[in-house]
Amino acid sequence: DIQMTQSPSSLSASVGDGVTITCRASQSISTYLNWYQQKPGKAPKLLIYAASSLQSGVPSRFSGSGSGTDFTLTISSLQPEDFATYYCQQSYSNPVTFGGGTKVEI
Amino acid sequence: EVQLVESGGGLVQPGGSLRLSCAASGFTFSDYYIDWVRQAPGKGLEWVARSRDKANRYTTEYAASVKGRFTVSRDDSKKSLYLQMNSLKTEDAAVYYCTRGGRSGSPFDTWGQGTLVTVSS
Repeated sequence: DIQMTQSPSSLSASVGDGVTITCRASQSISTYLNWYQQKPGKAPKLLIYAASSLQSGVPSRFSGSGSGTDFTLTISSLQPEDFATYYCQQSYSNPVTFGGGTKVEI
Repeated sequence: EVQLVESGGGLVQPGGSLRLSCAASGFTFSDYYIDWVRQAPGKGLEWVARSRDKANRYTTEYAASVKGRFTVSRDDSKKSLYLQMNSLKTEDAAVYYCTRGGRSGSPFDTWGQGTLVTVSS
């Protein structure tokens, strides 16, 4: 199975800050990397797919980059509604696997 | 509106069985892979099982942790997916989500609200 490692596991930031979360795959996954946002008590929501494509309806302050084994999710200017946990996921091979999550706190 | 709605969660004793349902609406159900993903309390996301689309003959796949105990089935006439869970263990306790993916390699673009399974004596 492909292991996905996210860092950091948590971070503290303020409204207006720029934030970067990294995700590393244990082997090359091309650009089969997706990012999800989850708020407490809610289902995850797709933000970015194929490493850098913005899901419809997602604000442009979210962006993704990377290929191969190293990927990043960037939030350009944190908004109050962005405080949540973020997960990366590889869809390159079965079983699909998720990173451990990054909790973005105030 | 594309929607997935899970049901069937509850409290079950270790060794017991439970059947979860996922009702779909707003899209052509037979054209999509539907997966189950679970989340234990306070933990991350874990993929559980997959039902491929009609073009792939509805083939199924399972995580090693549930293989032989869980079975996925679907009824396209009812636009529903089911997860039969047998020989439940305490470590199966989680919120179970059904999710929609287009094909192999696709992301999960739609998620249900989840249903809670508690395994305890």
